[in-house]
Amino acid sequence: DAKTTQPNSMESNEEEPVHLPCNHSTISGTDYIHWYRQLPSQGPEYVIHGLTSNVNNRMASLAIAEDRKSSTLILHRATLRDAAVYYCIPRVGNQFYFGTGTSLTVIP
Amino acid sequence: NAGVTQTPKFRILKIGQSMTLQCTQDMNHNYMYWYRQDPGMGLKLIYYSVGAGITDKGEVPNGYNVSRSTTEDFPLRLELAAPSQTSVYFCASNVAGGSETQYFGPGTRLLVL
Repeated sequence: DAKTTQPNSMESNEEEPVHLPCNHSTISGTDYIHWYRQLPSQGPEYVIHGLTSNVNNRMASLAIAEDRKSSTLILHRATLRDAAVYYCIPRVGNQFYFGTGTSLTVIP
Repeated sequence: NAGVTQTPKFRILKIGQSMTLQCTQDMNHNYMYWYRQDPGMGLKLIYYSVGAGITDKGEVPNGYNVSRSTTEDFPLRLELAAPSQTSVYFCASNVAGGSETQYFGPGTRLLVL
């Protein structure tokens, strides 16, 4: 099974950038890395995904290490609405492997 | 589109009772999934389906059954409820392929007493 390692929790000040790290040293060369977030009492929602190169969308940026053993989700300006649990998820075949995620606290 | 819908939102079961959690998606997605989430934990895959008539086990399938007779519906069956099945259950779907986004339903909270 592909496993991930993320910090249990992180804090950020509002309107500052946040870098959320993830180690996924066991993934294969064809496994996409997905990031989802989960707000309290809701289902997870998609943030971003990538395979080898860095990716940007309106929500965030994803920086993937050249050896693909780690990645970093970047929120450019944290807002209070970004407070959530962020999951780094390798997709292996037809399955997504959720770990315990990083709980992000945004301080006003 | 309604997306992924789940019913019921909340249910209390007695030990040994059975029930079916309903999941429907209106996005014509081939792939559908059932996860459970215990307090403070990430999601664990129970079963998934890559199309009508095709299902496969995930990480934690014991105590559950599924069927997929249509593209839209993917019900999850608990035959003999146990306290260990107290959890929040999420259904999800996506088109196909490793790059595709997964869409989640709002969840069903199940309490087994």
